[in-house]
Amino acid sequence: DTEVTQTPKHLVMGMTNKKSLKCEQHMGHRAMYWYKQKAKKPPELMFVYSYEKLSINESVPSRFSPECPNSSLLNLHLHALQPEDSALYLCASSQEVGTSGAYEQYFGPGTRLTVT
Amino acid sequence: QKEVEQNSGPLSVPEGAIASLNCTYSDRGSQSFFWYRQYSGKSPELIMFIYSNGDKEDGRFTAQLNKASQYVSLLIRDSQPSDSATYLCAVRNNFNKFYFGSGTKLNVKP
Repeated sequence: DTEVTQTPKHLVMGMTNKKSLKCEQHMGHRAMYWYKQKAKKPPELMFVYSYEKLSINESVPSRFSPECPNSSLLNLHLHALQPEDSALYLCASSQEVGTSGAYEQYFGPGTRLTVT
Repeated sequence: QKEVEQNSGPLSVPEGAIASLNCTYSDRGSQSFFWYRQYSGKSPELIMFIYSNGDKEDGRFTAQLNKASQYVSLLIRDSQPSDSATYLCAVRNNFNKFYFGSGTKLNVKP
């Protein structure tokens, strides 16, 4: 089973709202990722969690706040977003963090976010 | 210089032909290499990964890696209209950062 689930599938929020995106995997993976993807562009890495600790933050604005409550769950808390933050937000997971092996990433279906 | 470069296409091939997709990367320390297929409005789907020089075959797909030339390719044999999608090349470095190319759009014509 290589399933990563994400909720909600679609989200519309105003610039003053607070919302959260959720991601879950039950593959025993120890690395989880958030990506942002704009139309006709490749995914852009936002955050990496390794063994439930934040290991990479790609200089993401503080209005995006990640959280990893346990090894299966990853949240992205959203506050005071801008219309340009509208995008497809993708969660992914991989088996390990290390230098050997493939450690392929599996993506969830994404959350389509629209900021009005 | 971008970490991962791909020709954006579109690449058009007739049904039943071989589609050849190419990717180059800049970091010689890159460890592993991936091909994802992405249909419009959907998330990327992993179709192949490779981390040793040479060829790796899985059904109609063959991934080829040449670390000396920093070159990765994907061959799709007997291309089908359902293969029409954007193909993303991704590279993982020593620090577990994944870099994606901009993708190549493939059109398979019936």
